[in-house]
Amino acid sequence: NAGVMQNPRHLVRRRGQEARLRCSPMKGHSHVYWYRQLPEEGLKFMVYLQKENIIDESGMPKERFSAEFPKEGPSILRIQQVVRGDSAAYFCASSQTFGTEHMGGANVLTFGAGSRLTVL
Amino acid sequence: AQSVTQPDIHITVSEGASLELRCNYSYGATPYLFWYVQSPGQGLQLLLKYFSGDTLVQGIKGFEAEFKRSQSSFNLRKPSVHWSDAAEYFCAVGARNTGTASKLTFGTGTRLQVTL
Repeated sequence: NAGVMQNPRHLVRRRGQEARLRCSPMKGHSHVYWYRQLPEEGLKFMVYLQKENIIDESGMPKERFSAEFPKEGPSILRIQQVVRGDSAAYFCASSQTFGTEHMGGANVLTFGAGSRLTVL
Repeated sequence: AQSVTQPDIHITVSEGASLELRCNYSYGATPYLFWYVQSPGQGLQLLLKYFSGDTLVQGIKGFEAEFKRSQSSFNLRKPSVHWSDAAEYFCAVGARNTGTASKLTFGTGTRLQVTL
């Protein structure tokens, strides 16, 4: 089991360019979450997706940021027209089940190693 | 909305000494509680979790945590720290209602340094 795979691990972009971060969840997991970690801060929730559906995007900035999780392929977090303030580590997590009716392994997020975005 | 406070930004302990990392949460009911560890340049690894039942939870790598409802705390402990435990530790809380249970709120972390 390869775990949650994120790529690229490191990405450098100039202001105004686009950044695309990819995440492949663990085998058997159908829920994907994106978190952002700014320097010296904890993780902040951005978005929760299932296949072809955005379930909760309450943590996503209203502009320039978008996420998708297509039927086939990885989940993608896209940042358009990047600014220096977008420099951060972006973590993807996946989970197997969801909701209080599923105990045991429920609600346990497995994190990837992160993608570190640097905007020059 | 839930929140998590980790009052200690940085802690230094000697190898072999005991460790306690503090975590306080704010939530209207009993939440789901987690401790994660992050090594430099790495992702987060789950140490342990509390959903219900026994308030003393055992985790991996010899860690344990105790849920104290009266104090809204979920402190992480280890009786004897190893140099390899040096890392950043995050406490997290998840809401106990369907639809948001996995949207975790993280504390700002405690960086643990271990001296030999």
